[in-house]
Amino acid sequence: EAGVTQSPTHLIKTRGQQATLRCSPISGHTSVYWYQQALGLGLQFLLWYDEGEERNRGNFPPRFSGRQFPNYSSELNVNALELEDSALYLCASIRYPLSTDTQYFGPGTRLTVL
Amino acid sequence: AQSVTQLGSHVSVSEGALVLLRCNYSSSVPPYLFWYVQYPNQGLQLLLKYTTGATLVKGINGFEAEFKKSETSFHLTKPSAHMSDAAEYFCAVSDQTGGSYIPTFGRGTSLIVHP
Repeated sequence: EAGVTQSPTHLIKTRGQQATLRCSPISGHTSVYWYQQALGLGLQFLLWYDEGEERNRGNFPPRFSGRQFPNYSSELNVNALELEDSALYLCASIRYPLSTDTQYFGPGTRLTVL
Repeated sequence: AQSVTQLGSHVSVSEGALVLLRCNYSSSVPPYLFWYVQYPNQGLQLLLKYTTGATLVKGINGFEAEFKKSETSFHLTKPSAHMSDAAEYFCAVSDQTGGSYIPTFGRGTSLIVHP
């Protein structure tokens, strides 16, 4: 069974540009979570998509947005990039959005903003 | 609201020594607790989780953790460290507050293993 995949692996942008990150969940998983992992800050919850709908979002500005496609893959868009957006962005999928279920993480996309 | 505190951003042990990584949580309802490991340039991988039942939970790679409600703790231990255990470890808590199932992660503890 293929795991969660993310693309690209690395992304370098300049301030003010837009970044698009992609995630494919494990087959059969309908929920996708996005996290930002900045140095020393642990994982900060960004967005949760389930069955094509945005179910919850973390404490991030509106320039962080995304969507989930009918095949349950997901896209994270970051507009008007700022230097502090440099981080590892992790995607996780889950079969059922229950508290006891396990999240399966992808390897992440390393975003560098210059 | 739920929160997680991991004591010590770095823990250094010698190979063969006991590993103890500390995690304390706060939750207004009975929590579900998780430990994840992140190896360099990889995503997170589940080590173990506590949901209900036995408070001592065994995970992969010889790790275990004990849920202590009175101490609001979920410390991770391993009797004998191996060089391959060097990684970042994250504790997470999840509950059903407000109908959301969003886990909260600690800031992580970097485990350093010396030969």
